[in-house]
Amino acid sequence: GQQVMQIPQYQHVQEGEDFTTYCNSSTTLSNIQWYKQRPGGHPVFLIQLVKSGEVKKQKRLTFQFGEAKKNSSLHITATQTTDVGTYFCAGPTRSGGSNYKLTFGKGTLLTVNP
Amino acid sequence: DTEVTQTPKHLVMGMTNKKSLKCEQHMGHRAMYWYKQKAKKPPELMFVYSYEKLSINESVPSRFSPECPNSSLLNLHLHALQPEDSALYLCASSRGSPGLTNTEAFFGQGTRLTVV
Repeated sequence: GQQVMQIPQYQHVQEGEDFTTYCNSSTTLSNIQWYKQRPGGHPVFLIQLVKSGEVKKQKRLTFQFGEAKKNSSLHITATQTTDVGTYFCAGPTRSGGSNYKLTFGKGTLLTVNP
Repeated sequence: DTEVTQTPKHLVMGMTNKKSLKCEQHMGHRAMYWYKQKAKKPPELMFVYSYEKLSINESVPSRFSPECPNSSLLNLHLHALQPEDSALYLCASSRGSPGLTNTEAFFGQGTRLTVV
């Protein structure tokens, strides 16, 4: 079936260092979404990318959607302790007939050493 | 109001108990979801309701029974669960199908379920 893969699984950085997580789909996606889940919390939507080659920025976060719409990345510049959490990419994949479901990557757990 | 409200926040139940999880949203979203999340794992889809009809059941055991009484409410009825069913159960809603644009999912805070 369609898969959404994400690496790395874990990333530990010193505060101020940059961080990147990568997401790959086995099929072309109509859009890709990114979520953040703080420890003990629930997933919170960050952004959705729709267009081929799209780049969006939110303060220190930069999101990219690949030209083939099969890969995406999230880059955080100068990490802060508030960035700690698990970052998930998620894309719509078919679930029988014309139904779509949101399939999550395994997530990247970011820890930041102050 | 951009909240999805889930109750209860915590639940401990025995394997012979029957309990229900509740979820409510007032954003006018027409798609509602139940996810199960184990520690250090991604959310795993269980059920999708679209316009109050069950559209996706990810081969979930019948001891989990979803119900959508109206467009704002979603329930998950639990019966004869096993200890391995202990997990965080997340409800989510979105404006429409994930295959469309502008259909980000809003998640509730979850119910942390322990089966003893």
